[in-house]
Amino acid sequence: TQLLEQSPQFLSIQEGENLTVYCNSSSVFSSLQWYRQEPGEGPVLLVTVVTGGEVKKLKRLTFQFGDARKDSSLHITAAQTGDTGLYLCAGVQGGKLIFGQGTELSVKP
Amino acid sequence: GAGVSQSPSNKVTEKGKDVELRCDPISGHTALYWYRQSLGQGLEFLIYFQGNSAPDKSGLPSDRFSAERTGGSVSTLTIQRTQQEDSAVYLCASSLMRGEVAQYFGPGTRLTVL
Repeated sequence: TQLLEQSPQFLSIQEGENLTVYCNSSSVFSSLQWYRQEPGEGPVLLVTVVTGGEVKKLKRLTFQFGDARKDSSLHITAAQTGDTGLYLCAGVQGGKLIFGQGTELSVKP
Repeated sequence: GAGVSQSPSNKVTEKGKDVELRCDPISGHTALYWYRQSLGQGLEFLIYFQGNSAPDKSGLPSDRFSAERTGGSVSTLTIQRTQQEDSAVYLCASSLMRGEVAQYFGPGTRLTVL
């Protein structure tokens, strides 16, 4: 049973398009992290959201934590080819990170 | 070194053999984690070390898997009598402490069991 469901699992878009990735759970998390992973490398932390309803922006990336701290979204505006990679959400629960299965994003020129 | 390092980067072994994977965490990080990642999938927690406390082994999939951390620094993940389903990328991460802090990941060891 996947505690954190990410959708979509795969996303292929053209450069310049906008996209949103969702991370949903029936469980409450004390905080939630988003990581990006490129082939042959480990995940790299993008952001941590802590407060329900919190919105954080990182250049063209906007992260939101749900009011009930059970879900989160990542929105990318005007995607670039350099955004290609595996995006992982991870909920913090009991001191552990629970990872979603990831969203494989491909941005084509 | 500046980041988490892992060795080897790739390991090919035959079914039934034992393998050892090594992780060097960031200096000063007291927490160390091992994860397993199957192709294109999320990360599956395996084991966690924090200082001198007993490790959290709740994610180890079978008793063929074990890990140790010597001197609070380097860690070794051992898989005995490897099976084909053990093929995956094994990632190590470290953090300053447990909890809501960033984990810094190594590049992983890709294990292939033939």
